[in-house]
Amino acid sequence: QQPVQSPQAVILREGEDAVINCSSSKALYSVHWYRQKHGEAPVFLMILLKGGEQKGHEKISASFNEKKQQSSLYLTASQLSYSGTYFCGTERTSGTYKYIFGTGTRLKVLA
Amino acid sequence: GAVVSQHPSWVICKSGTSVKIECRSLDFQATTMFWYRQFPKQSLMLMATSNEGSKATYEQGVEKDKFLINHASLTLSTLTVTSAHPEDSSFYICSAPLGGYTFGSGTRLTVV
Repeated sequence: QQPVQSPQAVILREGEDAVINCSSSKALYSVHWYRQKHGEAPVFLMILLKGGEQKGHEKISASFNEKKQQSSLYLTASQLSYSGTYFCGTERTSGTYKYIFGTGTRLKVLA
Repeated sequence: GAVVSQHPSWVICKSGTSVKIECRSLDFQATTMFWYRQFPKQSLMLMATSNEGSKATYEQGVEKDKFLINHASLTLSTLTVTSAHPEDSSFYICSAPLGGYTFGSGTRLTVV
């Protein structure tokens, strides 16, 4: 089942912060975060593997809760270049191995 | 780093014709390749998983006879959209499970 992201869309002014959530009904083996610009391939941002993990680089960070059913992506002091659609991705290892994406969050940063 | 080369980047075809999309893994061997379809303003939906030397595994609702997947070698996986119709117009993208998942650049298919 596809992880559900919230919010579906968000509009920010430059310098504002945003939080994007990715939730699953079952524990995730891992969670990856991506940003996709229109018409382009997703760009990998980071991976979280352990429950309770937090990591980040520059002004983008993410967390993975202890139960590994929810991950959040934090964007601080947003820049125009942050605009795009954000996806979480995860592996499904029960049965056939597969890789699926969350429902997506469209982010628009305005000047 | 690992690169997946996807061709073509875009293609326009007439309704009823077939289109082949190729994904080549450069500098590494990909025993598995995931194929996704993305409609405007929607998420990437897994269509099928191709495995080198064996039959592809299709997701529920994806027509096997319409979307032919071949993974004949460790560096090449292909998706052929047969008898394409306007509703097949979409963004198709492949991904290999390597380095946090390596994506092709995507193919924009327009069926007219």
